[in-house]
Amino acid sequence: SQELEQSPQSLIVQEGKNLTINCTSSKTLYGLYWYKQKYGEGLIFLMMLQKGGEEKSHEKITAKLDEKKQQSSLHITASQPSHAGIYLCGADTGGGADGLTFGKGTHLIIQP
Amino acid sequence: DAGVIQSPRHEVTEMGQEVTLRCKPISGHDYLFWYRQTMMRGLELLIYFNNNVPIDDSGMPEDRFSAKMPNASFSTLKIQPSEPRDSAVYFCASSRPGQGIETQYFGPGTRLLVL
Repeated sequence: SQELEQSPQSLIVQEGKNLTINCTSSKTLYGLYWYKQKYGEGLIFLMMLQKGGEEKSHEKITAKLDEKKQQSSLHITASQPSHAGIYLCGADTGGGADGLTFGKGTHLIIQP
Repeated sequence: DAGVIQSPRHEVTEMGQEVTLRCKPISGHDYLFWYRQTMMRGLELLIYFNNNVPIDDSGMPEDRFSAKMPNASFSTLKIQPSEPRDSAVYFCASSRPGQGIETQYFGPGTRLLVL
């Protein structure tokens, strides 16, 4: 079965600093989703990557999928307190609208 | 659109009791997913439906769990009898039809505590 490893498990960053979260798959990814979850709340969709080498940005968050489609990174520039939460990567391994397999998540804390 | 709606938002029950979680997907979405999130195991897919038909229920823990989707706008996840190890946050998600991979939109979740 598909397994996703996220790193780091937790991250404490001073406000204004940049940070990167990684998601590595044991298999080729048909689609890689990034979600953000605030504590005690549901998942908010951030971005979906599908093609090798693809890169997408939304405000100060950039996500990339490597050429081999087995690793993705999420980069936050000039972090803000609103970026705090749990970031989850989810993978689609079936090439269609199947259920997603998720990593364990990265807990991000922004220190003022 | 109101997004995916789940109820109740919080549920506290005693071991052995029946628990029913409810989900209303986004209108027009024909895929519906049930996930469970715990600290130990993270977010796991339990079952998903396409056009109200269960497609993959391999993630359902055991016979105590059952899910139904009687129509396109409503699904239930039932646990009977409930056990303390069922305590978790249960999420419902839906996606719309189309070609290829579709983004799943999640509900706010139901926090279940079984005492």
